[in-house]
Amino acid sequence: EAQVTQNPRYLITVTGKKLTVTCSQNMNHEYMSWYRQDPGLGLRQIYYSMNVEVTDKGDVPEGYKVSRKEKRNFPLILESPSPNQTSLYFCASSLLAGAHQPQHFGDGTRLSIL
Amino acid sequence: AQSVTQPDIHITVSEGASLELRCNYSYGATPYLFWYVQSPGQGLQLLLKYFSGDTLVQGIKGFEAEFKRSQSSFNLRKPSVHWSDAAEYFCAVDGGYNKLIFGAGTRLAVHP
Repeated sequence: EAQVTQNPRYLITVTGKKLTVTCSQNMNHEYMSWYRQDPGLGLRQIYYSMNVEVTDKGDVPEGYKVSRKEKRNFPLILESPSPNQTSLYFCASSLLAGAHQPQHFGDGTRLSIL
Repeated sequence: AQSVTQPDIHITVSEGASLELRCNYSYGATPYLFWYVQSPGQGLQLLLKYFSGDTLVQGIKGFEAEFKRSQSSFNLRKPSVHWSDAAEYFCAVDGGYNKLIFGAGTRLAVHP
């Protein structure tokens, strides 16, 4: 089954403790991205990747890092999480980077930073 | 800068009633527009999209949307709502490089 898998689905942690949210897709997609969803703001793009070893900032990259060493994986790294990063996070992928490419979303990761 | 506005944060309709969710966009060129639905605990599912051509677009689950350039709108409609349609709905415009710019969302509640 074609899917985007995020782990963990839920995480409660404390300020400053490094964490990684993994994202994996099994569709051989070149394009992957991360969004965060906050009430009243919708979803906002954090980082995106056009292909392996090619990443770039989205609209709200501060406090986050990403890497794309393999085509299927695109982890989101919070080196020193802070409470303002408490949010619902979504990973998405598409075959190529283009508006005609449908995007597939994971089921989300809810992070709570205390 | 591109932006999307969904004026209604929360809408409640009775099952079987018609539905219209509003979406207005700000974009300099011809926009690529999308409607997504998010059920509780789920990711986003694409309902429909508009790229060009016929301004009335049909989607999945009986939804349709109409692109009106003169009003910068892309409203989502359904003639008869089912209880399973209760969810949050997001309008989005493509901001380039496959980045989606989302509205704040409209949460739909359906009364039996």
